[in-house]
This record gives sequence, C-alpha cells and structure tokens, in this order.
Amino acid sequence: KAGVTQTPRYLIKTRGQQVTLSCSPISGHRSVSWYQQTPGQGLQFLFEYFSETQRNKGNFPGRFSGRQFSNSRSEMNVSTLELGDSALYLCASKVTGDNEQFFGPGTRLTVL
Amino acid sequence: SQQGEEDPQALSIQEGENATMNCSYKTSINNLQWYRQNSGRGLVHLILIRSNEREKHSGRLRVTLDTSKKSSSLLITASRAADTASYFCARYNTDKLIFGTGTRLQVFP
Repeated sequence: KAGVTQTPRYLIKTRGQQVTLSCSPISGHRSVSWYQQTPGQGLQFLFEYFSETQRNKGNFPGRFSGRQFSNSRSEMNVSTLELGDSALYLCASKVTGDNEQFFGPGTRLTVL
Repeated sequence: SQQGEEDPQALSIQEGENATMNCSYKTSINNLQWYRQNSGRGLVHLILIRSNEREKHSGRLRVTLDTSKKSSSLLITASRAADTASYFCARYNTDKLIFGTGTRLQVFP
C-alpha cells in the first residue's frame, strides 16, 4: 500500500505570494491532518479534514486554509506569505477512529 | 503552551548503550504516542500506550507511563547508529494531536 505523498517536496516563494501544497493520503484513510514544523515553535497542528469537512483547526491566522476532495486528497493554501511561514509542512492521514497517524515526507517551504 | 515538554533536548550516546527520553504533559490523556523523525522528514509512529497501561514493549523500545505524574519515558535498548533521529511524544487534546518539543538523539558508531 502506498504511503502518504506530498507535493511539491521543496518550494521557494517570496513574501506576499501565495502557495498551495498537496497531500494524497493512504488509500482508505479519510482523515487528513496538516502540521507546521519550525525550529522555534516545533510541531504545530494546523487543521484536520474528514469527508471534505474541516473537523478541527489549530491556532493559525486565516491566511492558512485547506480543503479536502471527495477522493480524500487534501490541499492547504497559505496566502500573503510572510518570512515566518518558512517551515516544513507535514500531512498525515489515519483510519477513522484510530489513533496512529501516518505522515508524508513533508513539503519544505522557504519564503524569501 | 499545550505542548508537552521532553527532556533531554539532545542526547549523544555510543552504539550499544541505552537511550532514555522523558515526556511530561499537562492534561489528562486516553493514550500517549511516540514518533520518530529522521532529519527533517516525515514522522514514523513507534508505539502507543493507553492510560490504563503502565509499560509497553516493542522490539528494542520500552515505554512507561505514569498518569499520576503525567509523564512517560521511552527507552531504546542497545542503540544503533540508525536510531539517530528526533523522538516526539504526542497526545490528543480535543481531537488535535499535540506534540512534545522532542529529543534529538545522536548515536555514534
């Protein structure tokens, strides 16, 4: 069974631009969560999607948004990029009702 | 912060030695999980211990949980160079998975 895939793996943007990251969960996993990892703040929960609905949201500004499609694939979008948005963005999927999350390799975003 | 605290922040040992990492948290839990991350890549689930369990083993890993002290520890026995990674504890809080600050483990051959 293929693992969680994330595209692109690396991305360089400039301040003020927007970016869209993509995540394909493991087949059969309907829950997709996104995390931001930075050296200063560590791993922080962004949001979780299930059946195309946002089920949980972390403490991030409205510039961070996401969506989930009917095939469970998910995208997250960051608008008006700031230098502080430079981070590793991780996507994870899991089986409904289970606790273990399966992570993708991440997208490393650099904002210049 | 809702994050758990882990200590030590960094740990360097020789191959064959044991490595112990500790995690403390603030709220009650149903279970606590440990994950490993190799050098800025995705996380890999290692083990889950439920609140009614005190100890759990998986291969060279041993996890203990003390709910009265709100703490857990991860022991890696007979460490190998391939165990070099960051280790995170994680727990659910209002359906959000909250990670600890992590321990960076370096195992020297």
